[in-house]
Amino acid sequence: NAGVTQTPKFQVLKTGQSMTLQCAQDMNHEYMSWYRQDPGMGLRLIHYSVGAGITDQGEVPNGYNVSRSTTEDFPLRLLSAAPSQTSVYFCASTPGVGTNEKLFFGSGTQLSVL
Amino acid sequence: SQKIEQNSEALNIQEGKTATLTCNYTNYSPAYLQWYRQDPGRGPVFLLLIRENEKEKRKERLKVTFDTTLKQSLFHITASQPADSATYLCALNQAGTALIFGKGTTLSVSS
Repeated sequence: NAGVTQTPKFQVLKTGQSMTLQCAQDMNHEYMSWYRQDPGMGLRLIHYSVGAGITDQGEVPNGYNVSRSTTEDFPLRLLSAAPSQTSVYFCASTPGVGTNEKLFFGSGTQLSVL
Repeated sequence: SQKIEQNSEALNIQEGKTATLTCNYTNYSPAYLQWYRQDPGRGPVFLLLIRENEKEKRKERLKVTFDTTLKQSLFHITASQPADSATYLCALNQAGTALIFGKGTTLSVSS
């Protein structure tokens, strides 16, 4: 059972480049979310989804797009990367539509924008 | 504004002692609170969930309390070991669909 899989593990971008961080889960979880983690700032919610076709913004959504075409996948897109987006990104999922259950996290993607 | 605060960024204790970590919140009325452990270079891992109608929850050497009047949760690790060294995060639900995290407390247990 793979759980939550994130790819890539590391990525270096130049300012203005675009890229997609991939997140897939094989647990048939309805709820998926993206967080970024910065030193001194903790985990901050970017976007989340309560099911296929439904997404919503979190605390820091600017500069990021998401879509949820299947239950399994929840990609995070950076349309024009900026140095301020240098961070570690975590994808997480939970079985229910609400979050009164534990989150399962991926191992993270470390992104550097030069 | 809504805020979650964990008492300190770092906590150093000796092996065998009890570690106590604090999570305070303002302007929330959470139905439950969760605690996670995060090791360097890894994603957070769920430890315990406590609901608003529960005063205390235990799991092996871990104990969590939840005081909705004080708006505070305490996380205890008894008989601490060097392997308990990690960052511990508390998290609250917001509007029932999003989990918001505190910045974490890094615990170091020395032998």
